[in-house]
Amino acid sequence: NAGVTQTPKFQVLKTGQSMTLQCAQDMNHEYMSWYRQDPGMGLRLIHYSVGAGITDQGEVPNGYNVSRSTTEDFPLRLLSAAPSQTSVYFCASHPGGRNEKLFFGSGTQLSVL
Amino acid sequence: KNQVEQSPQSLIILEGKNCTLQCNYTVSPFSNLRWYKQDTGRGPVSLTIMTFSENTKSNGRYTATLDADTKQSSLHITASQLSDSASYICVVSPKPNDYKLSFGAGTTVTVRA
Repeated sequence: NAGVTQTPKFQVLKTGQSMTLQCAQDMNHEYMSWYRQDPGMGLRLIHYSVGAGITDQGEVPNGYNVSRSTTEDFPLRLLSAAPSQTSVYFCASHPGGRNEKLFFGSGTQLSVL
Repeated sequence: KNQVEQSPQSLIILEGKNCTLQCNYTVSPFSNLRWYKQDTGRGPVSLTIMTFSENTKSNGRYTATLDADTKQSSLHITASQLSDSASYICVVSPKPNDYKLSFGAGTTVTVRA
């Protein structure tokens, strides 16, 4: 059982470049989300989805796009990378329900030069 | 302003000793409080989930307590092991099925032999 799989593990970009962080889950969870984790701060929600075809913005959505064409996949796109987007990115999924736990991927460490 | 504050920021303990981590929150309304363990280079993993009506929840050597009146929670680690070295994150959910969680910045625990 793979759980939540993120790729790549590490990525270095130049300012202005675009890229897509991949996230896939095999638990048939309806809810998926993207977070960024910066030193000294709690995880912050970028975008989330409550099912295929449905996405919404979180706390820090600017500079990022998402889509949810299938239940399994939830890619995060950086449109034009900026140094402020240097961070560790985590994808998470949730089965729904009041007291269920989030399942996190292992993260993508992104550096924008 | 972060609505979830954790203390201390970091601590070092000797193997076999106990320690207690603190979490204060101002999130309102409040549905449940979660503790996650995050090993270096990995995604967070759920330890406990407590609703507002629960005072304590255990998971092996980890015991979480909750005082919803004072909006405080603690995580107690008993007989620490080297594998307990990690960051421990307090997470508050504002209301049922609201996935916009509030994350604390975490407490980094280092266990030394």
